[in-house]
Amino acid sequence: EIVLTQSPGTLSLSPGERATLSCRASQSVTSPYLAWYQQKPGQAPRLLFYGASSRAAGIADRFSGSGSGTEFTLTISRLEPEDSAVYYCHQYESSPQSFGQGTKLEIK
Amino acid sequence: QVQLQESGPGLVKPSQTLSLTCTVSGGSISSGYYYWTWIRQPAGKGLEWIGRVYTGGTTNYHPSLKSRVTVSIDTSNNQFSLNLSSVTAADTAVYYCARKSAGLPFDYWGQGTLVTVSS
Repeated sequence: EIVLTQSPGTLSLSPGERATLSCRASQSVTSPYLAWYQQKPGQAPRLLFYGASSRAAGIADRFSGSGSGTEFTLTISRLEPEDSAVYYCHQYESSPQSFGQGTKLEIK
Repeated sequence: QVQLQESGPGLVKPSQTLSLTCTVSGGSISSGYYYWTWIRQPAGKGLEWIGRVYTGGTTNYHPSLKSRVTVSIDTSNNQFSLNLSSVTAADTAVYYCARKSAGLPFDYWGQGTLVTVSS
């Protein structure tokens, strides 16, 4: 099973700042079949990126995804209060599929 | 617009079987090539992939749950289901159903349903 480790666990930033979230895989994720989701309290996860860097429909261009192999990054520029959420990475290359433990982003 | 909705008991006794159904609307569950999937999330924790059924009926399960899980598809009712046997308190979680297609991640999710295992 591919283990995904996200860092930091919690990130506290102010509106207008830039957030950088990391996801490290225990094995190379080729293709790359790596996705990012945003989850707000009481809601299902919302797809942000697939293929590491392809933005899902309706996702603002303040969000960007990058990376390859075992290192992936989600960057959110010009933070807004509504970006407060938990962000998860997800590998869908090999079975069983797996998720990172999440990064909680707090907007001060 | 595809929508998924979970349904089933919110309380299950230890050692019994947890049974949930996901009803798909806005499209036929048997059209296209999709993996209909169950995922769970214990309170305050991360997401765990449980298992899936392919449109054609093939199933895959998480190795840690494989001996207790069955996922099945009911095309006549546009639904798919999860059965998890011999449950314990560790199976208490919000259970989500979701859709995935080949080469892509989960694009549609249900709202989730909380299942508590308690006597």
